[in-house]
This record gives sequence, structure tokens and C-alpha cells, in this order.
Amino acid sequence: QSALTQPRSVSGSPGQSVTISCTGTSSDVGGYNYVSWYQQHPGKAPKLVIYEVNKRPSGVPDRFSGSKSGNTASLTVSGLQAEDEADYYCSSYGGNKNWIFGGGTKVTVL
Amino acid sequence: EVHLVESGGGLVQPGGSLRLCCAASGFTFSNHWMMWVRQAPGKGLEWVANIDGDGSEKNYVDSVKGRFTISRDNAKNSLCLQLNGLRAEDSAVYYCARDGLPGARDYWGQGTLVTVSS
Repeated sequence: QSALTQPRSVSGSPGQSVTISCTGTSSDVGGYNYVSWYQQHPGKAPKLVIYEVNKRPSGVPDRFSGSKSGNTASLTVSGLQAEDEADYYCSSYGGNKNWIFGGGTKVTVL
Repeated sequence: EVHLVESGGGLVQPGGSLRLCCAASGFTFSNHWMMWVRQAPGKGLEWVANIDGDGSEKNYVDSVKGRFTISRDNAKNSLCLQLNGLRAEDSAVYYCARDGLPGARDYWGQGTLVTVSS
């Protein structure tokens, strides 16, 4: 199964909003609400920021929000802060007991 | 507090074997599916395998089927991954992660590096 498609990079100034897309197919993103998003700082383990498309785990700021339309999911980071600079990965259940990740998006805070 | 600590990584020749393990603490281990995810140097995340709470269901990405085996010992709160027939493309940091929220991995270990090279 192919990786989900994410833009290689996005950028924004402090206080602005950035949105990262994650495009799959009707067999994964479009077929299930098990879309999650992970933040990864260099040399660190991934950290869950969104699950089930739009739910935030305890402790994750409400600046992080998720949505889905058809085969594309999106993560929006509002009120961008310096510490939000990181790589972000989407993930989806792919059916047939498989899980897939996106290729990752580097968020740069200008 | 939940803690996941991987061990067992290292340098191995092509065709060789390694056994990775993950020590879990701070939660009822047997209640959770667990997963191995890897990340090649400078690359993205890739699901490798997962296992249900009692070890009866195991799933693998196609590229490791028949070479890797996931297992768990609930008495020891331990998750392991046996890697056989290693290839250069298996070189990566291997993370163990807990399925604690629907369809998501809510806790991750710090990872252990596997390098396959002659």
C-alpha cells in the first residue's frame, strides 16, 4: 500500500496559521475515521497531536485541529509558535489490518 | 506515567538477525495493542507490525512478512521484534508505540537504531 501524500514543506510567520494536507484513497483516508497526526522534533520520538480525524489528546493545545473531506485529511496549526517547527506525519488505517503513514511535512516558522 | 524503552539495536551484516525488545511500564500492558514503527535515516515513518493484547493476532507490512516476528510477554510487560534475513533497506530507528486511543499511537519509546551493513 502506498504512503499517504503530504506536501514536503509549509511555512508561516509566528501567529499565522498553516494547514497540512494528507491525501489518500477511498480505501484508507476516505474509508475510515482513523486518521491521526504526529509531531516530530529532530532526534525525538513522534508525539500524537490529533486522533480520529479531529480529536485532541489531553495536553495538546487547541491551536491544533484536524478535519477530513473525502480522501484528504488536514491538520491546521493556528497561532503558530516557534516550538511548532517540526516534522508532521499523518497516518490512517489502510484496511486489511494495515496502517499507513504520510511522507511527512516540514513546518518552518519564519 | 507511561514509559516505553527499546533495546537491542546495533550493527548487523546483511542476512543477519537481531532481536529488539521494548520494556513497558506505567499502564496495564495486556490491555493494549502494541506496534513497531520504523524510520530510515532522513525518511518518514513506516508501520512494521502490531500485536493485540493477548498476542493472538499479529499483522505485518508486506516487506517484512516471513522475516520479522512480533511477540509479547505480558507477565514481563515486554514487546519484542525478531528481525531475520536483514537487508540494507531495513536500516532504521525502530520505535515501539502503544495503541491507547482509537486508531492512534499515544505513547512512543525513544527508538533503537538498526544498521544493516557489511
